[in-house]
Amino acid sequence: GAGVSQSPRYKVAKRGQDVALRCDPISGHVSLFWYQQALGQGPEFLTYFQNEAQLDKSGLPSDRFFAERPEGSVSTLKIQRTQQEDSAVYLCASSAIRGGNYGYTFGSGTRLTVV
Amino acid sequence: GNSVTQMEGPVTLSEEAFLTINCTYTATGYPSLFWYVQYPGEGLQLLLKATKADDKGSNKGFEATYRKETTSFHLEKGSVQVSDSAVYFCALKFIQGAQKLVFGQGTRLTINP
Repeated sequence: GAGVSQSPRYKVAKRGQDVALRCDPISGHVSLFWYQQALGQGPEFLTYFQNEAQLDKSGLPSDRFFAERPEGSVSTLKIQRTQQEDSAVYLCASSAIRGGNYGYTFGSGTRLTVV
Repeated sequence: GNSVTQMEGPVTLSEEAFLTINCTYTATGYPSLFWYVQYPGEGLQLLLKATKADDKGSNKGFEATYRKETTSFHLEKGSVQVSDSAVYFCALKFIQGAQKLVFGQGTRLTINP
């Protein structure tokens, strides 16, 4: 596609519910990132994939958060037993190459509200 | 650890005013520096970047210079327009090692006609 696509755009979950957020990166992009952006804050790194390999998951806040990219294209961020502090916008970004001085293309995000 | 600090917002200016948004960083080594912009309802977009000391990034009338001695990357524009109203994020990244962007907290800019 022309850009990074994320779905759903908005998600309301009851506390304790599991959610799955989807990211479709730009076709052929090797690198894929997930970020969490709390209200009024800058994005915070969650995890990074190079193709299907998850090379860095140091930003995942707890073992309730899990990400996968099984075929090296679409990625899913799963949050189990959601808590109110998980409410945020979840951003996905992709890049054609690994590393370098290039910026990344971001999706519009999924706004998760846990009630 | 590595971090980015931006001037507190919100910033409100009149059209054609001069803009400065301050950004300083703390890093072990010499990162690449970026400014991203987030327009209402849209994703983050790369505005400009600089990869080494004294480099100047520029785009759409905005510019920022990588100052190693003051560890700063202030964003400037000589004459702002209403369409520049957005949230601006300063960020850093290292070429080698961890690939993640480290962002500042963002500065909301509103330009009044």
